[in-house]
Amino acid sequence: GAVVSQHPSRVICKSGTSVKIECRSLDFQATTMFWYRQFPKQSLMLMATSNEGSKATYEQGVEKDKFLINHASLTLSTLTVTSAHPEDSSFYICSASPLVEKLFFGSGTQLSVL
Amino acid sequence: GQQVMQIPQYQHVQEGEDFTTYCNSSTTLSNIQWYKQRPGGHPVFLIQLVKSGEVKKQKRLTFQFGEAKKNSSLHITATQTTDVGTYFCAGLRETDSWGKLQFGAGTQVVVTP
Repeated sequence: GAVVSQHPSRVICKSGTSVKIECRSLDFQATTMFWYRQFPKQSLMLMATSNEGSKATYEQGVEKDKFLINHASLTLSTLTVTSAHPEDSSFYICSASPLVEKLFFGSGTQLSVL
Repeated sequence: GQQVMQIPQYQHVQEGEDFTTYCNSSTTLSNIQWYKQRPGGHPVFLIQLVKSGEVKKQKRLTFQFGEAKKNSSLHITATQTTDVGTYFCAGLRETDSWGKLQFGAGTQVVVTP
């Protein structure tokens, strides 16, 4: 199946700093990628849809200025958590697909803000 | 609020037993997908159901899509320790573009040998 790579897998940062998470489609081109947030033992909450060459589409309640998304190429989308605070600590995961059928997920990034 | 409800949230099963997890949507879905997430891992696609009343089987797993396309179920027979993980249903509303799946809360499955 298709491979979606996500880095870093784990990051610890100080409050007030920004953190960038990368999501790459390794063996296919993805005009659309999806970013989710998952709290412990909870479901995946869709944060935004990343569109190559255009602005991301954010879900209701998700702050655009806090979670910056850049989809500059057909294989790379980045999520930057700006001025991170402890409440931003969470598991962030991306997905993409070469098919209109099923999603392939990255391995996720565990963000801990001190 | 959450559009797709999934129960139970937690299932403790004795090895060899059967169990079922259920998913209900407040709106009609164009399709529903099921994913499995192992502890510490990421969700992995299991199956997609598209047709009303559709039933699909994967070895010991049986997936069903309701006639009204608002509910779905996953039934696992003769549970094994390899079935441990969290099972998520994810529905695509008819009004949403592909990929904008609404995930259920998941059913965390623990298997006792």
